[in-house]
Amino acid sequence: DAGITQSPRHKVTETGTPVTLRCHQTENHRYMYWYRQDPGHGLRLIHYSYGVKDTDKGEVSDGYSVSRSKTEDFLLTLESATSSQTSVYFCAISRDGPYGYTFGSGTRLTVV
Amino acid sequence: KQEVTQIPAALSVPEGENLVLNCSFTDSAIYNLQWFRQDPGKGLTSLLLIQSSQREQTSGRLNASLDKSSGRSTLYIAASQPGDSATYLCAVSPMNYGGSQGNLIFGKGTKLSVKP
Repeated sequence: DAGITQSPRHKVTETGTPVTLRCHQTENHRYMYWYRQDPGHGLRLIHYSYGVKDTDKGEVSDGYSVSRSKTEDFLLTLESATSSQTSVYFCAISRDGPYGYTFGSGTRLTVV
Repeated sequence: KQEVTQIPAALSVPEGENLVLNCSFTDSAIYNLQWFRQDPGKGLTSLLLIQSSQREQTSGRLNASLDKSSGRSTLYIAASQPGDSATYLCAVSPMNYGGSQGNLIFGKGTKLSVKP
């Protein structure tokens, strides 16, 4: 979707290194989310944000941190990457009211 | 805790067939329900969004229904085409205390294959 971009699209990193994924939106939506998608588990919420500097944990937040210093950017950091964090990461945005979610194209992360 | 289940996990049909994908959820206190399509290696594309007060939504050959009381939604695809081949995901937003929208909870999807 043109209003939400994720970077990088692909990344290979070594176990134990920190990694930061970026989500950028041009829609000025209040809410931003990070999900991971794994075979057999589907999409699971990692962290979400309901405004600048306002974030909260999701279902699978261990080993991840997030920051949102501007409305348009939501960063996901893997403090010390592990092989279990090999996954496809999706960012999503939404706004107040009866509107759905819009998803980015995803980041495929491989931890070796 | 809200749980979303999609049956079947995979479905293969010949081109031109009408088909129904099923989604069930355990807690009827939902804000809305959204159907997505995901192509291999790609992101999620929103197909239809049904508010809790609505019974159905239509877009082209797609029709989604919602029965909150029974915790079910169906996605009906008419006259299926090979280009419809993808994974279809159902997701619900729970109703938070105070009536606000909760975070999206996904089913594991139905992988559809439409053969020419």
